[in-house]
Formats: sequence, structure tokens, C-alpha cells
Amino acid sequence: QVQLQESGPGLVKPSETLSLTCAVSGYSLTNGYYWGWIRQSPGKGLEWIGSIFHTGITYYKSSLKSRVTISVDTSKNQFSLKLSSVTAADTAVYYCARRRRIRGQNYFDYWGQGTLVTVSS
Amino acid sequence: SYVLTQPPSVSVAPGQTARISCGGNNIGNKSVHWYQQKPGQAPVLVVYDDSGRPSGIPERFSGSNSGSTATLTISRVEAGDEADYYCQVWDSTSDQFYVFGTGTKVTVL
Repeated sequence: QVQLQESGPGLVKPSETLSLTCAVSGYSLTNGYYWGWIRQSPGKGLEWIGSIFHTGITYYKSSLKSRVTISVDTSKNQFSLKLSSVTAADTAVYYCARRRRIRGQNYFDYWGQGTLVTVSS
Repeated sequence: SYVLTQPPSVSVAPGQTARISCGGNNIGNKSVHWYQQKPGQAPVLVVYDDSGRPSGIPERFSGSNSGSTATLTISRVEAGDEADYYCQVWDSTSDQFYVFGTGTKVTVL
């Protein structure tokens, strides 16, 4: 059974960098698939942030691209998210998930439980 | 950018059928996926590729997609089906690639 677990600080100050890690168990990142980060602001809908392949190939949401870095550590079977220059608008529950692909269309089949990150001084 | 529109809420009595729509321009040409999210929990994939059902998802959950509307149908609704439901498509021409619907709150009366 594939399991994902997010970890990282729950409180980040404005203008600083948000850093989260997603530890994957039950599946080796090197076996394939892309992996992604999705967030959900309080009371709002889901917003995809970016995705990464185990080789390090990444792609990001355009409006966040200048602030986002996603990286992978295959030795630890985990991948990470960094979001710089955060503001209150970045307060959200952050999820990591595994991407699947069918008929050229992508979706997420396994999700972590999510971690709340609050941006506040 | 591509937009997916869902009704904010749907109410249904136990044992009845709930239908949740997801509207989008020529959505019938895309593969639509549906997620269930209960309060305080992560989303769970309930339908993929219009009508596929992941392992462990009851047969009561089904999907269809045609024209400008995709639909998630929940048959014989149970109290445990009360949740938010989101549709999602992949749009390589969109600046966000993964487009999520606005979400529908299903209330079991």
C-alpha cells in the first residue's frame, strides 16, 4: 500500500521560505510516476502547485513558478517543496500525492494526509 | 484558462441517488476524475477517467462524461457519503495544468 506523509513547520513568517517534505512508503520513487504538491486554502478548493519525476524533471503552476522549487531525494524516497517569499495568501493545507496517467490525462491516486501551514508573524 | 463549474451543494435523502455535475468547455473530450473529501481529511479518488473506479471504491459511485458536462452519480446514498466532491481534468494548454472544479458539498438529509 502506497503511503505518503508530509512534514515540516506549521508556522512560517511572512517573506520567509516554506519548506515541506513528503516521505513515501510502499513504493519506490525510482519505479516511476510523477509526484506532486497540491494545496487547499482554508475553506477553499484545491490548487496544484507542481510535480516532479524521480529523475528531477519538474513542472510548476505558472503563477507560482518564480517562487517554487520541488526536489527529490531518491536515497530517502522522499520529495520536497520550497515556496519562497510567502504571504498570508499561502496559508493552506499542503498535500503531496502520486500522479497517474491514462490516455494522456493526469490525475492523483494516492494522497498524503496533508499538513497545515500558517503564514503569520 | 480552462474552468470547471460545479453546483455548490446537493442534498439527498438516504437511499436515493445524488448526481453532481461538472461543466466545462467540451469536457466530453477530456478525461474527468472525481475526488471525495470529508472534513479534515485528504481527498480520495473515487472515479478516474470518466467512469473508472479505483480498488476499494463501492460500485455505488459511477461517472459519465459527454458534451459539456461530466457527472458523478452516487447511488443508494449513505450517511457516510456526506462530503465535498471535486472534479478534475488535465489541460496542457492551461497555465495550471491540473484544473479542479469548484467543489460540491453533498448533504445527506
